[in-house]
Amino acid sequence: LAKTTQPISMDSYEGQEVNITCSHNNIATNDYITWYQQFPSQGPRFIIQGYKTKVTNEVASLFIPADRKSSTLSLPRVSLSDTAVYYCLVGRVGGSTLGRLYFGRGTQLTVWP
Amino acid sequence: KAGVTQTPRYLIKTRGQQVTLSCSPISGHRSVSWYQQTPGQGLQFLFEYFSETQRNKGNFPGRFSGRQFSNSRSEMNVSTLELGDSALYLCASMETSGIDTQYFGPGTRLTVL
Repeated sequence: LAKTTQPISMDSYEGQEVNITCSHNNIATNDYITWYQQFPSQGPRFIIQGYKTKVTNEVASLFIPADRKSSTLSLPRVSLSDTAVYYCLVGRVGGSTLGRLYFGRGTQLTVWP
Repeated sequence: KAGVTQTPRYLIKTRGQQVTLSCSPISGHRSVSWYQQTPGQGLQFLFEYFSETQRNKGNFPGRFSGRQFSNSRSEMNVSTLELGDSALYLCASMETSGIDTQYFGPGTRLTVL
């Protein structure tokens, strides 16, 4: 399984764009990249998922370079409510994870007024 | 579709007791995974059930057990509770075709006194 590395913490101010980069040097051909957001005492919430290039939804964008050894979660114009832990995970397609996801320590994002 | 639900949301038990937690997956999802989250260890995989069978298991003692019913609802049981079992217990459900995206419930906060 590809190990992921992401910053332990980041700080930002309201209204700024935040980019959180995740390194996954050993990503395999059939691995995809998923990001979750977690607030204290709540379950992780699925944010975005991608395999290559760029994926955008109503919440965030995910940028994946051609070599796929890293990925960047971009949160546009953050607000105080975006203060949370963000997890980057890599996983296989086609049911091969057998329900097991590996969560690292994640990135604690703190947004200041 | 309704999301993953977990009951109860909060539970207080004493050492030596046992506890049963319940999880209802998203409609149509046949895979249910359980995780334990503590400040010291982060999110750790307990086990996964698919079509009423345990398909994958993490590294937890036999005091932790689970089951899945024909409607995909799942229960997790912890016997002979220890203080260290105090944690947020999370359940996640997953479709079993295509990408393994797990969707988490709100969790059950278990406190062992």
